Amino acid sequence: GAGVSQSPSNKVTEKGKDVELRCDPISGHTALYWYRQSLGQGLEFLIYFQGNSAPDKSGLPSDRFSAERTGGSVSTLTIQRTQQEDSAVYLCASSFGGTMNTEAFFGQGTRLTVV
Amino acid sequence: AQSVSQHNHHVILSEAASLELGCNYSYGGTVNLFWYVQYPGQHLQLLLKYFSGDPLVKGIKGFEAEFIKSKFSFNLRKPSVQWSDTAEYFCAVSNTNAGKSTFGDGTTLTVKP
Repeated sequence: GAGVSQSPSNKVTEKGKDVELRCDPISGHTALYWYRQSLGQGLEFLIYFQGNSAPDKSGLPSDRFSAERTGGSVSTLTIQRTQQEDSAVYLCASSFGGTMNTEAFFGQGTRLTVV
Repeated sequence: AQSVSQHNHHVILSEAASLELGCNYSYGGTVNLFWYVQYPGQHLQLLLKYFSGDPLVKGIKGFEAEFIKSKFSFNLRKPSVQWSDTAEYFCAVSNTNAGKSTFGDGTTLTVKP
């Protein structure tokens, strides 16, 4: 597609349920990033993929969070047993190069609300 | 670990006023610096970036930023703002070996017509 696509755009879930967030990067972009943005906060790094491997997953806040990327393309971020503090906008970005030193293109985000 | 500090949480200006948004970072090595902008209802997009060379970089829509290494700063400027510049602005830094950028908390700019 023309840009980074994320789905769903909005997700409301009950506390304790699992959720899956999807990211379709720009075709040909080898690097993919997940960030989250809580209300009034900056972007918090979660995980970085280069191809299908994740050389940096240091930002995942707990073992309830996991992510995978298949075929060097689509990525899913899974949050198990969601908690209210997981409520945030989850942003995906991709870039052509191996690092964000080349321009990163962001998706519109998934707004997750845990009730 | 690298960190980014944006001094102003919310800035309100009238049209034609000059803008300067502060950004300081902490990292001892070679860095790449970015400003991103998020207009209401739109994606984050790159405004400008600094990798090397001339420390004064120019971006889209008349924005510019100056990298001052001795001050660990990368302030964003625009001589005359427009109502359409109303947006949230994020400063970000990455080191040349990392696969990620670290973002500041953002500055919300409101331009009154």
